[in-house]
Amino acid sequence: EDQVTQSPEALRLQEGESSSLNCSYTVSGLRGLFWYRQDPGKGPEFLFTLYSAGEEKEKERLKATLTKKESFLHITAPKPEDSATYLCAGGQGGKLIFGQGTELSVKP
Amino acid sequence: DGGITQSPKYLFRKEGQNVTLSCEQNLNHDAMYWYRQDPGQGLRLIYYSQIVNDFQKGDIAEGYSVSREKKESFPLTVTSAQKNPTAFYLCASSMGADTQYFGPGTRLTVL
Repeated sequence: EDQVTQSPEALRLQEGESSSLNCSYTVSGLRGLFWYRQDPGKGPEFLFTLYSAGEEKEKERLKATLTKKESFLHITAPKPEDSATYLCAGGQGGKLIFGQGTELSVKP
Repeated sequence: DGGITQSPKYLFRKEGQNVTLSCEQNLNHDAMYWYRQDPGQGLRLIYYSQIVNDFQKGDIAEGYSVSREKKESFPLTVTSAQKNPTAFYLCASSMGADTQYFGPGTRLTVL
């Protein structure tokens, strides 16, 4: 069965405390691993797409990496404004299979 | 400004009533999608359309219907057959199988 699993479900960090979010996937014919950020009551905002194992992409304090079974979203020296739910999704024939998300809270 | 708009932002439905959620995009994207999001759960695909006048069921299509008469528009009707429609509904669009971009969402509540 195709599925995407994210861990942890919730993560609380102090400002400046770096950490990583995990996304494990089993998606047949995977065509891209996508990361989104979602603020409460808003639509998801696109962050990254990764297509092949070993690929890395960065944006400000975020870096996404991909292996054959997992993707990680590394957050370096987070700030309170990084608080949000982070969603990952596996692409399959034009469709996306989403994990349940990791709710990140960064306290000052 | 290019983007995706959804309306209304909040919608209330009475028992036995059909309601229609609007989704419009001016990104010239071919494909459009509808997702449902429940608290603590990931997004689940309801319907998607890759070209005008054609659409396919997603994982949870029962109780929903769509149309795609124009490239820019992909309205979703929540019918009375949907027994638990209270949720956050998200519309997205993409160019082919590329990155999907999302609208701001519609929150539907059953009274």
